[in-house]
Amino acid sequence: EAGVAQSPRYKIIEKRQSVAFWCNPISGHATLYWYQQILGQGPKLLIQFQNNGVVDDSQLPKDRFSAERLKGVDSTLKIQPAKLEDSAVYLCASSLGYGLANEKLFFGSGTQLSVL
Amino acid sequence: AQSVSQHNHHVILSEAASLELGCNYSYGGTVNLFWYVQYPGQHLQLLLKYFSGDPLVKGIKGFEAEFIKSKFSFNLRKPSVQWSDTAEYFCAVGTGRRALTFGSGTRLQVQP
Repeated sequence: EAGVAQSPRYKIIEKRQSVAFWCNPISGHATLYWYQQILGQGPKLLIQFQNNGVVDDSQLPKDRFSAERLKGVDSTLKIQPAKLEDSAVYLCASSLGYGLANEKLFFGSGTQLSVL
Repeated sequence: AQSVSQHNHHVILSEAASLELGCNYSYGGTVNLFWYVQYPGQHLQLLLKYFSGDPLVKGIKGFEAEFIKSKFSFNLRKPSVQWSDTAEYFCAVGTGRRALTFGSGTRLQVQP
């Protein structure tokens, strides 16, 4: 079974530039999550999609971050403009069901972003 | 809102030593509890989970965790660690339809 695919693996940009990350979840998984993991911290939820609808984006800094999952399959997370504090690993995860709290999450390898 | 605390940030053990990693959560209602592990160079993966029933749950690779409701704890244990257990361990809590909230992680280093 193919896992959660993310690209790119690494990205280095200067502050105020824009960047986009891509995620393709496991086939058939209804729920997709983007987490931000700053060095030394645990993953923090940015946004949760169920199919192509947003379930929770309460912790997404909407002035600079945006995300979409237009066809309910793959997803893109964008940062524009980037700040130094956005340096982190951006993790995508998916789950088979509809985002219930007892579901197993499958994680991708993440995109490591460095903002200089 | 739910929260998770992992008090051990970095643990160093020798092979065959026993392991216990602490995890405490803050939430007044029904919770689902998880331990995820990230081995060097790999993605996060599920180690074990508790939903209901027997508070002692067993996971992969000989790990187990005990849910103690009165202490809001879900500590991870292993009787005898191996060098291959070197990894970062994350405790997480899920409630209702909310996505998981993760602790800050514990980096375990097992010395041969």
